[in-house]
Amino acid sequence: SAVISQKPSRDICQRGTSLTIQCQVDSQVTMMFWYRQQPGQSLTLIATANQGSEATYESGFVIDKFPISRPNLTFSTLTVSNMSPEDSSIYLCSVGTGGLQETQYFGPGTRLLVL
Amino acid sequence: SQQGEEDPQALSIQEGENATMNCSYKTSINNLQWYRQNSGRGLVHLILIRSNEREKHSGRLRVTLDTSKKSSSLLITASRAADTASYFCATEETSGSRLTFGEGTQLTVNP
Repeated sequence: SAVISQKPSRDICQRGTSLTIQCQVDSQVTMMFWYRQQPGQSLTLIATANQGSEATYESGFVIDKFPISRPNLTFSTLTVSNMSPEDSSIYLCSVGTGGLQETQYFGPGTRLLVL
Repeated sequence: SQQGEEDPQALSIQEGENATMNCSYKTSINNLQWYRQNSGRGLVHLILIRSNEREKHSGRLRVTLDTSKKSSSLLITASRAADTASYFCATEETSGSRLTFGEGTQLTVNP
């Protein structure tokens, strides 16, 4: 299994500002994913963070709003840009080894409140 | 849109009772996974069942998979107050390694 940390664990932000969330893994992994969990709801995949190339975004999510970096195999960042109260959610990163039939391991999440 | 639908949405039982949660999905899958989440924190992986498996056990957990009905169930036996959490199923579709999560079941185990 992989040990994943996220920073910050929580934040309160003003609308119109941006927040960058960091995800660090204790070992090299092929796949890193970013999810959003809105209050009381399930997880929705935002994008797959690809090392050395642009992230792959899911329908409804765009790079201008959620820019992602993946400089190496152990680290990724997600920025929530020009925030509004609707962006208040838990943001979680997860990792997998890239093969099929593989478990994904999740970080502890970043709880974001936008005022 | 979410592929998985779970029922019940909420379940409240007494300690020692069994808890059963169900999950349905729509597409062909490689596997189905169950996760637990405590109070909006990170997800903990519980069990993975492959599409060619019908039943799997892990401790007090029993998972079944019926690919003809596109459904799965998670049974927690002899529940404990510490089992109180949200439980999510997630499917890995045959098209790739992305996971699609169900809506979740909030389980409350009363001491």
